[in-house]
Amino acid sequence: DVKVTQSSRYLVKRTGEKVFLECVQDMDHENMFWYRQDPGLGLRLIYFSYDVKMKEKGDIPEGYSVSREKKERFSLILESASTNQTSMYLCASSLGTLPYEQYFGPGTRLTVT
Amino acid sequence: AQSVTQPDIHITVSEGASLELRCNYSYGATPYLFWYVQSPGQGLQLLLKYFSGDTLVQGIKGFEAEFKRSQSSFNLRKPSVHWSDAAEYFCAVGAQAAGNKLTFGGGTRVLVKP
Repeated sequence: DVKVTQSSRYLVKRTGEKVFLECVQDMDHENMFWYRQDPGLGLRLIYFSYDVKMKEKGDIPEGYSVSREKKERFSLILESASTNQTSMYLCASSLGTLPYEQYFGPGTRLTVT
Repeated sequence: AQSVTQPDIHITVSEGASLELRCNYSYGATPYLFWYVQSPGQGLQLLLKYFSGDTLVQGIKGFEAEFKRSQSSFNLRKPSVHWSDAAEYFCAVGAQAAGNKLTFGGGTRVLVKP
């Protein structure tokens, strides 16, 4: 079974803090994704990576950056957290170059106060 | 670019009754279609997927979905709902031209009445 883990289930940070969310997958998947989930808006893609050190912007990259130094690990960084970044953050991974199924971690609920 | 619409934000169904969740997509070529379920506080779990072939797809937990090209739809069904089916359901579409990305619908929250 594919396992995707995220570093925290719940996180509370203050406005202006730098925030790191980490995601690890154990199935040697090439692709990794970061989404944010807000009520009524579904999942929106922030960034994704199709290989080590490679990244592409998703639909809502503003205010975020990412890092992928190892194949199994994909980090989402909020350089200066703001209250409008309070959300559920989901990490996912998938195999290959086609739109195959993505496997999701349990999510991190981030609150910025 | 592809898009996905789930017209129903909330659905309430009685335990034992049938359930159908609607999903409409917009994409010119044959899409890759998925249904995921999210239980409260959890990540998303894949229920079923359609890439090609038989348009009626069986998934886990007794769910099935039917791809109808003429209607650009991929509706999810379950003949008899259990209380544990209360969750949020997401339809997603992928396109070969878009590489490995998926586009998700806004979700449908299912409430199950005893």
